[in-house]
Amino acid sequence: GQQLNQSPQSMFIQEGEDVSMNCTSSSIFNTWLWYKQDPGEGPVLLIALYKAGELTSNGRLTAQFGITRKDSFLNISASIPSDVGIYFCAGRVNVNRDDKIIFGKGTRLHILP
Amino acid sequence: GAVVSQHPSWVICKSGTSVKIECRSLDFQATTMFWYRQFPKQSLMLMATSNEGSKATYEQGVEKDKFLINHASLTLSTLTVTSAHPEDSSFYICSGLGQGKETQYFGPGTRLLVL
Repeated sequence: GQQLNQSPQSMFIQEGEDVSMNCTSSSIFNTWLWYKQDPGEGPVLLIALYKAGELTSNGRLTAQFGITRKDSFLNISASIPSDVGIYFCAGRVNVNRDDKIIFGKGTRLHILP
Repeated sequence: GAVVSQHPSWVICKSGTSVKIECRSLDFQATTMFWYRQFPKQSLMLMATSNEGSKATYEQGVEKDKFLINHASLTLSTLTVTSAHPEDSSFYICSGLGQGKETQYFGPGTRLLVL
């Protein structure tokens, strides 16, 4: 079945550093989504990508939908303490005529004092 | 973005009792809603997919008689944890599929603690 491989699993960075994380799959996805989950909260949609090659920014966040439609990356520039959390990628795929959204296992971002 | 609410935010109950969690899409109609469970420091685990007016589809390993899902309207889905036990303690999150069916919007989650 479709699987998303999200990496890295965890990141420890200094405040002010840039962050990059990615998701890959052997399957083709129609849409890529990036979410952030703060502790004790539900995930919040950060960026949605709908076309292969699409590059979209949301403030300090930039994400791209890979040309092959099998991968996506999320970059965070100049990280700040509130960027701490778990980042999930998700891809939408059509399975047996049903749209299904599949989630990666998340990248846990820690910012060192 | 679309807003999804959950009620209650927190629930503590005794073992053997049933707990109902509500999930509402506040500003959009969600023909499809999803229920996830998340254990500490772990990823989201999809429990079931519910379509308005029909029976929910449960993921492998999720007991449908224990986790009752009702999706009676386009804006409300409920999850009832029947005869809850301490191992059911978890963070339960619902999400609604947007009308374009391209993105999912999550609720804030409900933390369940079974004593």
